[in-house]
Amino acid sequence: AQSVTQPDIHITVSEGASLELRCNYSYGATPYLFWYVQSPGQGLQLLLKYFSGDTLVQGIKGFEAEFKRSQSSFNLRKPSVHWSDAAEYFCAVAPSGAGSYQLTFGKGTKLSVIP
Amino acid sequence: DAGVTQSPTHLIKTRGQQVTLRCSPKSGHDTVSWYQQALGQGPQFIFQYYEEEERQRGNFPDRFSGHQFPNYSSELNVNALLLGDSALYLCASIAQGENGWVYGYTFGSGTRLTVV
Repeated sequence: AQSVTQPDIHITVSEGASLELRCNYSYGATPYLFWYVQSPGQGLQLLLKYFSGDTLVQGIKGFEAEFKRSQSSFNLRKPSVHWSDAAEYFCAVAPSGAGSYQLTFGKGTKLSVIP
Repeated sequence: DAGVTQSPTHLIKTRGQQVTLRCSPKSGHDTVSWYQQALGQGPQFIFQYYEEEERQRGNFPDRFSGHQFPNYSSELNVNALLLGDSALYLCASIAQGENGWVYGYTFGSGTRLTVV
């Protein structure tokens, strides 16, 4: 069964500092990989996704993520954090291929930003 | 603008009651899945509907059931509510190509269910 680990429950960074959120997954083959962001009481907004190809993926709001097959990781990065980035971030995986629909999420990392 | 509409936004029910939540998928999406997100947790997959049939199911009891209509909208029904059913329920509509390969998931804003 696939699983996702986000080892950091809560991260606090200063505005303008760089950010890296960690994500490790367990899956037999290369899955589809996603990062979502959720503001309090809101739904999930897609930041970026990896299906195949270039292992460095660019997303919205200045975020990027790098897929490292050898480490089963898909870490999210941002060079300079803004106060509006404070939210909860979820990494998710789904089986690749046709007919595969189930997303498996990590438990999330809450990001706090100090002005 | 997510394009996926869920109703109601908030709901309070009493233990033992039944509840129905609704979802309209993004235009052009014919597959809908439901997720339960307990406080402080990541979303967990409940089930997925395509062509008006349940195609995949997560580890949820039979108290959780669903339906998909010909216009692709969907309902999630929960019977005999427990306090532990209190959560944010998210609907996702799925974009897929003609070969069945998935290429996107779009989530609604969710329904916050509180069981008292």
